[in-house]
Amino acid sequence: AQSVTQLGSHVSVSEGALVLLRCNYSSSVPPYLFWYVQYPNQGLQLLLKYTSAATLVKGINGFEAEFKKSETSFHLTKPSAHMSDAAEYFCAVTRQNTGGFKTIFGAGTRLFVKA
Amino acid sequence: NAGVTQTPKFRVLKTGQSMTLLCAQDMNHEYMYWYRQDPGMGLRLIHYSVGEGTTAKGEVPDGYNVSRLKKQNFLLGLESAAPSQTSVYFCASSYLRAATGDYGYTFGSGTRLTVV
Repeated sequence: AQSVTQLGSHVSVSEGALVLLRCNYSSSVPPYLFWYVQYPNQGLQLLLKYTSAATLVKGINGFEAEFKKSETSFHLTKPSAHMSDAAEYFCAVTRQNTGGFKTIFGAGTRLFVKA
Repeated sequence: NAGVTQTPKFRVLKTGQSMTLLCAQDMNHEYMYWYRQDPGMGLRLIHYSVGEGTTAKGEVPDGYNVSRLKKQNFLLGLESAAPSQTSVYFCASSYLRAATGDYGYTFGSGTRLTVV
């Protein structure tokens, strides 16, 4: 069965430090991969997505993620954290099956940014 | 603005009451979805639709029903609300551009439902 694992339900970094949010997936075929951000009391906003083009994907707000097929990973990074990055982040995997497209979300990682 | 609109944004129900959540999209997307979001559990798929007039069960369908009579609308119904259905509900729609392989999701802003 397809699954998405986000390592660490909470991650805390200092302002200006590297942000690394981990995501591993299981899929027997090349998937579509997404990272979403959710600010308090808001919906999910797309950060970036991988759709089998470049393996290094750049998104909004300075985030990027690299698709590594050999490691089945799609980790999210940002070189320098900003206070406004504090939010919850969700990794998601979509693949096509006979019933259409199926998307599985990770449980989420809450990012805290310390001043 | 184009997108996914959910109504209502907030609702409090008493146990046993019924209600319908409405999702509307104006992007001509074929696929539509209803998710619930609970702390520490990410988003779980309740029901989805691959086109007008079709619906299918997702991961947690019990206690919910859906209908997709028009392509742009996807309704989620609770026939007899239970406290376990207290959650934040998100609707989404998705597209696939066959020529480029581009695939994407658009989410609504959510409905916060409390069942007391």
